[in-house]
Amino acid sequence: AQSVAQPEDQVNVAEGNPLTVKCTYSVSGNPYLFWYVQYPNRGLQFLLKYITGDNLVKGSYGFEAEFNKSQTSFHLKKPSALVSDSALYFCAVREWNNNNDMRFGAGTRLTVKP
Amino acid sequence: EPEVTQTPSHQVTQMGQEVILRCVPISNHLYFYWYRQILGQKVEFLVSFYNNEISEKSEIFDDQFSVERPDGSNFTLKIRSTKLEDSAMYFCASSEALSLSPLHFGNGTRLTVT
Repeated sequence: AQSVAQPEDQVNVAEGNPLTVKCTYSVSGNPYLFWYVQYPNRGLQFLLKYITGDNLVKGSYGFEAEFNKSQTSFHLKKPSALVSDSALYFCAVREWNNNNDMRFGAGTRLTVKP
Repeated sequence: EPEVTQTPSHQVTQMGQEVILRCVPISNHLYFYWYRQILGQKVEFLVSFYNNEISEKSEIFDDQFSVERPDGSNFTLKIRSTKLEDSAMYFCASSEALSLSPLHFGNGTRLTVT
């Protein structure tokens, strides 16, 4: 079955600095990869996805993610962090032929300090 | 932008009681899901539903759980006899037909079992 790992429970960065939130995945076939953000007392909001094509995908709020097949990674990045980016971030994976469950990582809490 | 709506936002119940959590998915979506999140941590898959039947369910989704789509708009999760460990945030999600479509989440129902 597919799975994702987010090795960091917490990431702290200063406002204006670049940020990276790490994710690695495991699937038996081709992966569909997603990033979601969760603000307090809210549901998960879709940020971006990788399906095929260009390994660098761009999403909402200036976020981007890089798919690396050899390292089975899909790290989330932003060139310049904002205090408002502070939230819980989840990586998720789905197998290409599976419309059923999407598996989520354990989440990484991003804190951006002014 | 269309949204997934969930009611109630907070449900308190006594152990052993039945609860029904309600969701209205996005109207043109065909796949429906329930996830739960305990203490703001990992998002756990419960069940997926398509074409009026369960597509896949996790080991969490035992005989105490059931789902139903009683009409064209509502999607419900029933817990027959709640346990203390059922206390969690329950998220409903929906997606379009294709596996490359992201899930759209509601804001969740916080279930507290006392």
